[in-house]
Amino acid sequence: NAGVTQTPKFQVLKTGQSMTLQCAQDMNHEYMSWYRQDPGMGLRLIHYSVGAGITDQGEVPNGYNVSRSTTEDFPLRLLSAAPSQTSVYFCASSYGGQVGNTIYFGEGSWLTVV
Amino acid sequence: QQPVQSPQAVILREGEDAVINCSSSKALYSVHWYRQKHGEAPVFLMILLKGGEQKGHDKISASFNEKKQQSSLYLTASQLSYSGTYFCGTAAGNKLTFGGGTRVLVKP
Repeated sequence: NAGVTQTPKFQVLKTGQSMTLQCAQDMNHEYMSWYRQDPGMGLRLIHYSVGAGITDQGEVPNGYNVSRSTTEDFPLRLLSAAPSQTSVYFCASSYGGQVGNTIYFGEGSWLTVV
Repeated sequence: QQPVQSPQAVILREGEDAVINCSSSKALYSVHWYRQKHGEAPVFLMILLKGGEQKGHDKISASFNEKKQQSSLYLTASQLSYSGTYFCGTAAGNKLTFGGGTRVLVKP
């Protein structure tokens, strides 16, 4: 059972660089989302998608882009990395387009921007 | 708007009980509870969808008071494995917003 797979697990970026965090799920879930978690803090929603071709902003979308070309994949792009984007990023998915269902999280991607 | 959790941290001896509260300034339609171990992803515990609903997971249970716009998580006869950070999440439309978390440490 792969579940929700994130890559890379660890990444160090220089300020101004761009990169893409990959997320894939094999559960045929319609709903996918990206959260960031700063040290000792809760999870904050960056972007989410209720199905292929549909994306929307969460609480903290600035500096990030997403796309959803397939049901399985939901990549998160950092356009121009800043030290404030140093965080742990979690991709999540759930069955159906509503959030009344169990959320399954990936293992996280630790990003450091220097 | 982010739900508010209390307390922020609690230390228990094995076998003791604890209550974690989650409250929102907005109407609640569903409440999620997750537990996160250090360095790991959050893991689902339960969802409460109706006011007055109560659920259990092992010796961890939760209630949902729709009128008071709050939910409580009950850790009964705590075990060492209950240590971690507990998050509540409240859903509005398709957005699930998490509280700041409650750190629980269970000591032998």
